[in-house]
Amino acid sequence: DAEITQSPRHKITETGRQVTLACHQTWNHNNMFWYRQDLGHGLRLIHYSYGVQDTNKGEVSDGYSVSRSNTEDLPLTLESAASSQTSVYFCASSGGIDPYRPGQGSHTQYFGPGTRLTVL
Amino acid sequence: AQKITQTQPGMFVQEKEAVTLDCTYDTSDQSYGLFWYKQPSSGEMIFLIYQGSYDEQNATEGRYSLNFQKARKSANLVISASQLGDSAMYFCAMREADSNYQLIWGAGTKLIIKP
Repeated sequence: DAEITQSPRHKITETGRQVTLACHQTWNHNNMFWYRQDLGHGLRLIHYSYGVQDTNKGEVSDGYSVSRSNTEDLPLTLESAASSQTSVYFCASSGGIDPYRPGQGSHTQYFGPGTRLTVL
Repeated sequence: AQKITQTQPGMFVQEKEAVTLDCTYDTSDQSYGLFWYKQPSSGEMIFLIYQGSYDEQNATEGRYSLNFQKARKSANLVISASQLGDSAMYFCAMREADSNYQLIWGAGTKLIIKP
């Protein structure tokens, strides 16, 4: 079945290290998004992409980067991890064809299972 | 100003009762979409229901329905016959026409179903 996956599901790292979180979707969606979720802040958009070679900054992009070399993947890189980046990270994708409701082009965002990142 | 407001930080409801979770929104666009997501304690974000601004009927998906009152700019989620498994955080979100597919999120409502 088509789906969206994230890896790893849990990661512990040290401050200053580079970390890459993977996101892979098999729906052939053009749009992909990275969010972080922290208590008291809800979901905040980090970066997003509307297609191959397209990337854009969200509201909390400092310290993060993404690249989109194909339709399926949008890896998120923390260049030099900081304790403030301890969070749960969600990847989401959307497209003109809804995988669960054919014929409805609502561009619903479907989420991966999340990655819990701890920076010590 | 908040574009999506969920005024109920937390709610307790007796099992089998109906639940209404409030969501009000603010937009000047004529074309927009409203979404509800569920986040159980396991952490995943689960899409529940969608309402387009031009949809004439309220959206329904199984036990979920969306009470869409356009003039009041409200999009309340109604869960009929609540179950223990409905205990979760619920988020309302909006996509505006010129948002390039981005969503604006509410702060969420924590729903607890009591047996």
